[in-house]
Amino acid sequence: EAGVVQSPRYKIIEKKQPVAFWCNPISGHNTLYWYLQNLGQGPELLIRYENEEAVDDSQLPKDRFSAERLKGVDSTLKIQPAELGDSAVYLCASSLDPTSGGREQFFGPGTRLTVL
Amino acid sequence: GDSVTQMEGPVTLSEEAFLTINCTYTATGYPSLFWYVQYPGEGLQLLLKATKADDKGSNKGFEATYRKETTSFHLEKGSVQVSDSAVYFCALSARPGGGNKLTFGTGTQLKVEL
Repeated sequence: EAGVVQSPRYKIIEKKQPVAFWCNPISGHNTLYWYLQNLGQGPELLIRYENEEAVDDSQLPKDRFSAERLKGVDSTLKIQPAELGDSAVYLCASSLDPTSGGREQFFGPGTRLTVL
Repeated sequence: GDSVTQMEGPVTLSEEAFLTINCTYTATGYPSLFWYVQYPGEGLQLLLKATKADDKGSNKGFEATYRKETTSFHLEKGSVQVSDSAVYFCALSARPGGGNKLTFGTGTQLKVEL
């Protein structure tokens, strides 16, 4: 079974440029998460989708960040414009329906963003 | 709000040494507790979990017991190997069963030397 796929693995951009990250979750996983991991820190949730609905986006900086999951499968996270402080690893994870309880979140390898 | 505190690294051990990585948490209600491991260049992998007080999670020789009275979930292994070198994250999920948002600690880097 394929795991969570993310692309690109690495991205270097100039500040004020836009950037997008793509995630394909494990087949059949209706819940998708985007996390931000700063250097030396644990991941922090940005947004959680159940199918195509964003059910928790309280930590997403909506002035510059946006996300979509149009068909309830793969998802895109966008930053426009990027700032120096956005340099971090962006992780995608997926799980089965969390309301069933005890559902493990499976993580992708992440996209490492460097903003110059 | 919910939070997780774990011991700072890096922790450097010789092969076959005993490992303890401390983790304490603050949360309302009865959270589920997790240990994730991140090998270099890879994503986080679930190592073990416990969903209620006094539960012991175990996997690959690692163990952790959910201690509600001390709000702790310390990770232990009796004999570490070089292949255990990685970053270990303690995490909690406030919703019973662990299906919701994960709150992570800052991670502890483990280096095991021959």
